[in-house]
Amino acid sequence: GDSVTQMEGPVTLSEEAFLTINCTYTATGYPSLFWYVQYPGEGLQLLLKATKADDKGSNKGFEATYRKETTSFHLEKGSVQVSDSAVYFCALKERRGGATNKLIFGTGTLLAVQP
Amino acid sequence: EAQVTQNPRYLITVTGKKLTVTCSQNMNHEYMSWYRQDPGLGLRQIYYSMNVEVTDKGDVPEGYKVSRKEKRNFPLILESPSPNQTSLYFCASSPGTSGGSYQETQYFGPGTRLLVL
Repeated sequence: GDSVTQMEGPVTLSEEAFLTINCTYTATGYPSLFWYVQYPGEGLQLLLKATKADDKGSNKGFEATYRKETTSFHLEKGSVQVSDSAVYFCALKERRGGATNKLIFGTGTLLAVQP
Repeated sequence: EAQVTQNPRYLITVTGKKLTVTCSQNMNHEYMSWYRQDPGLGLRQIYYSMNVEVTDKGDVPEGYKVSRKEKRNFPLILESPSPNQTSLYFCASSPGTSGGSYQETQYFGPGTRLLVL
């Protein structure tokens, strides 16, 4: 079945460091891809998304490019801040006809940014 | 403010005592769903609803029930909770399920942390 694999955390960085969180997926169709962020004690918020190959999603300085050839959607940010400390989830939604809106999530990656 | 609300936010109960977690959205969304979040497993879908009176099982429906009598509400019912249902639960909604990324983007509630003793 469809699945999402994320790099294990925690990822610990110093402020202004470059961030990459790897995400790869397995899907039989052509999924939409998402990154969600969960700040401590809060629900999930959509960070960015991409709906087709080569699309780049971006928001708040974060970027991810939909790479069909490598089935990847890696999250990047050029300069992280302490306020970026959170758990990041990669997710996919299949786009088959008649499919539900079910999101398939990775296990999440905890990012801790130190001053 | 557009939002998904859940109540209660925290709940401690005992095995076998029926409970209901409420979920409400004020965005007139057609699609609603419930997920549970467990360490090392990410989020897994429990049940979903495509519209009023239309519900179906997700990946982990055992031990749960849902109903969708009104568009805005989608309660999660645990008829006889067990310790393996201790988890963090999220309700989510979206405008629809197809017709573009706007329709399929899901909005999540703040979560309900449940402990079953």
